[in-house]
Formats: sequence, C-alpha cells, structure tokens
Amino acid sequence: GIQVEQSPPDLILQEGANSTLRCNFSDSVNNLQWFHQNPWGQLINLFYIPSGTKQNGRLSATTVATERYSLLYISSSQTTDSGVYFCAVEARGSSNTGKLIFGQGTTLQVKP
Amino acid sequence: KAGVTQTPRYLIKTRGQQVTLSCSPISGHRSVSWYQQTPGQGLQFLFEYFSETQRNKGNFPGRFSGRQFSNSRSEMNVSTLELGDSALYLCASSSGNSHSRNEQFFGPGTRLTVL
Repeated sequence: GIQVEQSPPDLILQEGANSTLRCNFSDSVNNLQWFHQNPWGQLINLFYIPSGTKQNGRLSATTVATERYSLLYISSSQTTDSGVYFCAVEARGSSNTGKLIFGQGTTLQVKP
Repeated sequence: KAGVTQTPRYLIKTRGQQVTLSCSPISGHRSVSWYQQTPGQGLQFLFEYFSETQRNKGNFPGRFSGRQFSNSRSEMNVSTLELGDSALYLCASSSGNSHSRNEQFFGPGTRLTVL
C-alpha cells in the first residue's frame, strides 16, 4: 500500500521563526490533507491540497503531485502553533475512497 | 453546520468486555471513517461506511466491527477487549464522493482505556 513519510519528526523553534514540514508519499493520490492535532486529541483541518498551493494566514501549503511530496510552511510561529502536524493521503482508486493513510507526524514545539 | 460528534468522550473498560462507540457525521455527509490512534502505531484506518455499507476495511481483527444507520450515524464495536485496544478512536465524515473533493472532518475522539 501507499507509504507516507513526514520530516522532521521533531522541531523546536523560537517564537517568530519560520518552518517547513515535508510529507513524501509513494504513489498517486486523490486526496492529501494536513492536520494539526490539539492537546485534547482533535484533528484540526489545515489544508485539503491534492495539488497546487494554498495559503491561510500564516500557514501555506504546496503539493507537487508529480514528484509526490507536499510542504507545509509556518511563518512567524507562535506558541499556539505547538502540537503535532499530520499529513494524510487517500491513494488513487475507488477502493481507497474514505481511507486516509497518515504519516507519523511532526511534533512542533514553539518556545516563547 | 454542526461538526462531527462522538460519544462517549472517555471510557474505561476491563479486559474481556465489549464496547460501542458512536459517531454522528456532519449533516449531509454520507461517509464515516474510523481510525485508531496509539503511541506505538500512530493513526491507523479501521473501516469506512457509505450509505450503510462497509466500503473499505483496514487490517484489524474481526473483534472490531461497525455499522452505519440510514441517517448516516455510525457505531463501532470492539468485543473481547484487550489491553492493547487502549487508544484514541477517531471518526471522520466526508461526502464520500470518489470523483470530487472528499475532504474528511474529524470528531473530538473517544479515549478508551482497557484495564
């Protein structure tokens, strides 16, 4: 099945710094999503981005589907950005509909 | 629109018991997917239901089962609980359409502890 790898596994930043999180996937996808998991465990949707570039405030994401990777950019980081960031993909093919495969996550700590 | 809701939020059971978790999707969504999150295995797909039919299944033993009702609400059941079933169980809803945007939205999760 499709493999999803995220890097780096851990990241420590000072408040105000910028960061880039990477997600590599091993096959074509119908769907790629980025999530932030809050301390209570809920997954918060950041981007639905199977291809192209999107921006939402201080966050932006780019997916290059032909090269099978996606990047999440966080600018001017704040302590509230701390937490775990997940990339998840739905492999192409109707037999994979509704089945997200998650990477292992990047744990981000932003220090004041 | 109201988000995805899951009940109960916390549950403590003992080995050998069974448990039923419930998930109510976003209004209009017909697909519900279930995931298990543990520190060792991360987030793993359990199964997906669409229009009351199981459409996809992950690699979990038969003790894990689910169903979906005509109003799209879904339940999952775990029988003969084992210590290793302690986890955060997340459900997600989506339109379920394989030919267009099929973004998944997650509920707050049910944290199950097996003693």
